[in-house]
Amino acid sequence: GAVVSQHPSRVICKSGTSVKIECRSLDFQATTMFWYRQFPKQSLMLMATSNEGSKATYEQGVEKDKFLINHASLTLSTLTVTSAHPEDSSFYICSARVPANYGYTFGSGTRLTVV
Amino acid sequence: DAKTTQPPSMDCAEGRAANLPCNHSTISGNEYVYWYRQIHSQGPQYIIHGLKNNETNEMASLIITEDRKSSTLILPHATLRDTAVYYCIVRVAGGQAGTALIFGKGTTLSVSS
Repeated sequence: GAVVSQHPSRVICKSGTSVKIECRSLDFQATTMFWYRQFPKQSLMLMATSNEGSKATYEQGVEKDKFLINHASLTLSTLTVTSAHPEDSSFYICSARVPANYGYTFGSGTRLTVV
Repeated sequence: DAKTTQPPSMDCAEGRAANLPCNHSTISGNEYVYWYRQIHSQGPQYIIHGLKNNETNEMASLIITEDRKSSTLILPHATLRDTAVYYCIVRVAGGQAGTALIFGKGTTLSVSS
């Protein structure tokens, strides 16, 4: 089946530094990828939609200058958390729509801890 | 997409059937019912989806009422590994191109031995 590979699975960084999270579609082309954030005991919250070759669309309240999204190819989307702060600590998950069956597949998630 | 209502939590004994309900009284005729689950610290996993007929796959069965206002996801023989948050989502098949799945609060299923 369609697989999205997400890396790293876990990262700890110092406050003020930047962290990059990668999502790759392994066996299909993902024209569109979605990025979610999930705080403990809460549901997934959509952050942004990234389209290959164009600017990402951010949900209301998500700072586009802080969460940089790049979708330079049909198989790779990246999320960079810039100048991270402890309140950015969260579980970040990417997702892509599978063209073959209109379903959605998800990455395994990245646990970000900012200290 | 139509709104869904699920109980916040449910318990199930290992080996027994787990029946997870979902209400979607405002569902439209062209909207499907999708079920996903999220095991702790993992990304969501697709389980099953259906329009109006009951569906079954290797993971679960989906029973949709005749008026389509509610549905039940059935895990026939729950195991400890089925402990997860289960999300019921209603949307048009494929959705609008470029639109994401929107998750509600889901049902936390706890399977115990």
